[in-house]
Amino acid sequence: NAGVTQTPKFQVLKTGQSMTLQCAQDMNHEYMSWYRQDPGMGLRLIHYSVGAGITDQGEVPNGYNVSRSTTEDFPLRLLSAAPSQTSVYFCASSYSRFSADTQYFGPGTRLTVL
Amino acid sequence: AQSVTQLGSHVSVSEGALVLLRCNYSSSVPPYLFWYVQYPNQGLQLLLKYTTGATLVKGINGFEAEFKKSETSFHLTKPSAHMSDAAEYFCAVSDRAGGGNKLTFGTGTQLKVEL
Repeated sequence: NAGVTQTPKFQVLKTGQSMTLQCAQDMNHEYMSWYRQDPGMGLRLIHYSVGAGITDQGEVPNGYNVSRSTTEDFPLRLLSAAPSQTSVYFCASSYSRFSADTQYFGPGTRLTVL
Repeated sequence: AQSVTQLGSHVSVSEGALVLLRCNYSSSVPPYLFWYVQYPNQGLQLLLKYTTGATLVKGINGFEAEFKKSETSFHLTKPSAHMSDAAEYFCAVSDRAGGGNKLTFGTGTQLKVEL
C-alpha cells in the first residue's frame, strides 16, 4: 500500500492564481481531511469528509474548497491564492469517522504564495 | 472548544537522558489523546494514543505516555534519548462526543538530542 499520497510536493503561486492540491489514499478509508501547518501554530483543520459525496468545514475553511467524488481522492482547491495561504498542507485519512481512529498523514505539500 | 497546550516549544536533552514532553488539554470530558512525531520534511506519524482502559500507554520507539485525568495531562516520556529521536512532537485530542474524527493539535515541541 502506498498509504496517503499528495501532489505536488512543492508549489509556488502568485497572488490570485488558483490551484488544486491532490490527495489520494489506497486503504479504503472512509474519513479524509486536510490540515495546514504554520510555524508556532501546530496543525489546523481546513475541511474534512466522512465519505464520498459528504464534506464539511473545519476550523479554517475560508479560501478553500473540497469535493469527494470517490472514496480514494480528496482534492483541495485554492480559488484565489493569497499570501496568508503560504503554508504546508497535509492530507490525512482514517478507517472511519470514529474519533478514536488513527489518522494517517501524507508527506505534505509546501505552498508559497507570492 | 477544546484546546491543547504543549509547554516548551524547544526541549534539548543529552543522548541517554530522560525525555519528558508535556501536554495538557482543556475540556470537561476527557478526550481521546494522541502523540504524533514529525521528522524533518515528512508527514506526521502516530507514536501512541489513549482511548480507554490502562492509563499508561506504550508506543513505538520506546515512548510512553500516561493519562492523568486529575491533572488533565498526557505527558510523553522516554527513559533514554537517542539521536534518532530528534524531531518535532505534537500532542493532539479528539472529542469523545463524536462529530467526526477531528483532531485539535498543540503547537508542537521540537526535541533536540545532543551528544
